Amino acid sequence: DVKVTQSSRYLVKRTGEKVFLECVQDMDHENMFWYRQDPGLGLRLIYFSYDVKMKEKGDIPEGYSVSREKKERFSLILESASTNQTSMYLCASSLDYISYEQYFGPGTRLTVT
Amino acid sequence: GDSVTQMEGPVTLSEEAFLTINCTYTATGYPSLFWYVQYPGEGLQLLLKATKADDKGSNKGFEATYRKETTSFHLEKGSVQVSDSAVYFCALPPNAGGTSYGKLTFGQGTILTVHP
Repeated sequence: DVKVTQSSRYLVKRTGEKVFLECVQDMDHENMFWYRQDPGLGLRLIYFSYDVKMKEKGDIPEGYSVSREKKERFSLILESASTNQTSMYLCASSLDYISYEQYFGPGTRLTVT
Repeated sequence: GDSVTQMEGPVTLSEEAFLTINCTYTATGYPSLFWYVQYPGEGLQLLLKATKADDKGSNKGFEATYRKETTSFHLEKGSVQVSDSAVYFCALPPNAGGTSYGKLTFGQGTILTVHP
């Protein structure tokens, strides 16, 4: 069965901390995505990666960076967490650049205090 | 870029009621269209899709028809169950005329609650 796992379901961090969110997929997918989900705003794409070490900015990359050193793992980094980054973070993967079926992890609820 | 607009929620229904969740899109071409569902405490999963005009996607009793004339892809179900309570997202590739690298643009989501 297809599986995307995220390192934490809930995370509480302080303002200014560096935060790492990890995502792993076991499907040998080329594409991986990081979204944030906020009420009334739906899902907004932060970054995506279409190959190892390849990354592109999404719609709201400010304050975030990503790393993809191995095909199965895609990390989202908050360099200096701020309260406006309190949100639900969802990771997803898809087979390749022409496949639009995305498989999602369960999400990480991040609270920055 | 291309975009979708969903009806505002939340939607509250009694079991066995008829469901419609509206979705309209703006696109330069004829993109594939998708409905994703997010059950409580879970990530999103693909519910159904349609790849060309007049196509009907269906799954788990849900249906949606790709209507080019009205640029719509409304989600319907004839008789909802309590287990259908979830958030529903309409989605499309952000650039139908070019390469989207598998990216999707999602609507804001519609919360559905079904009471027994």
